[in-house]
Amino acid sequence: AQKITQTQPGMFVQEKEAVTLDCTYDTSDPSYGLFWYKQPSSGEMIFLIYQGSYDQQNATEGRYSLNFQKARKSANLVISASQLGDSAMYFCAMREVYSSASKIIFGSGTRLSIRP
Amino acid sequence: DAMVIQNPRYQVTQFGKPVTLSCSQTLNHNVMYWYQQKSSQAPKLLFHYYDKDFNNEADTPDNFQSRRPNTSFCFLDIRSPGLGDAAMYLCATSRDRGGGADTQYFGPGTRLTVL
Repeated sequence: AQKITQTQPGMFVQEKEAVTLDCTYDTSDPSYGLFWYKQPSSGEMIFLIYQGSYDQQNATEGRYSLNFQKARKSANLVISASQLGDSAMYFCAMREVYSSASKIIFGSGTRLSIRP
Repeated sequence: DAMVIQNPRYQVTQFGKPVTLSCSQTLNHNVMYWYQQKSSQAPKLLFHYYDKDFNNEADTPDNFQSRRPNTSFCFLDIRSPGLGDAAMYLCATSRDRGGGADTQYFGPGTRLTVL
């Protein structure tokens, strides 16, 4: 069965520093997608970045990059030059492409707090 | 801008009084999802519609029902809310339900309080 693990319940980072949020996953499906979402205190889940299991390069979107290490089954999110507005809950998620329901499984989340 | 809209943002109901939450989308996506998220937890999928095809998760209580009258709208009905149903309810959409970077896009959520 597929599983997502986020081992950091909370992190504090100084503004302008880079931060890495850890995510490991487990699946027997050879084809899958990995996602990161940001959830501010307002509650909306904001899509940040996607990595496909067959993508050769790590995904990047502005200040966000995904450090994808397939052999280690890890998909860490890197935020460069953190800002106060980055304070939020961050969820790693996975979808197996060929499962019948193709639903997203979320990790337990990491609460990131940026210090001024 | 194309988006996912949820109304109301905050809903207060009484124990046992039926309540309906609304979701609409302008993305013209085929799939609409309802998630329940309790405090400091990950979202939990309740069910989803692939077009008109309803797909219930095995552990979703019978107290939760859904309707999708057309492509744009989807409703979550809670027939007899209990105190344990107090949560954030998130609606999401995706173009399809598999393959590639088929991202789910979420609405702002409805925070339900049960008195």
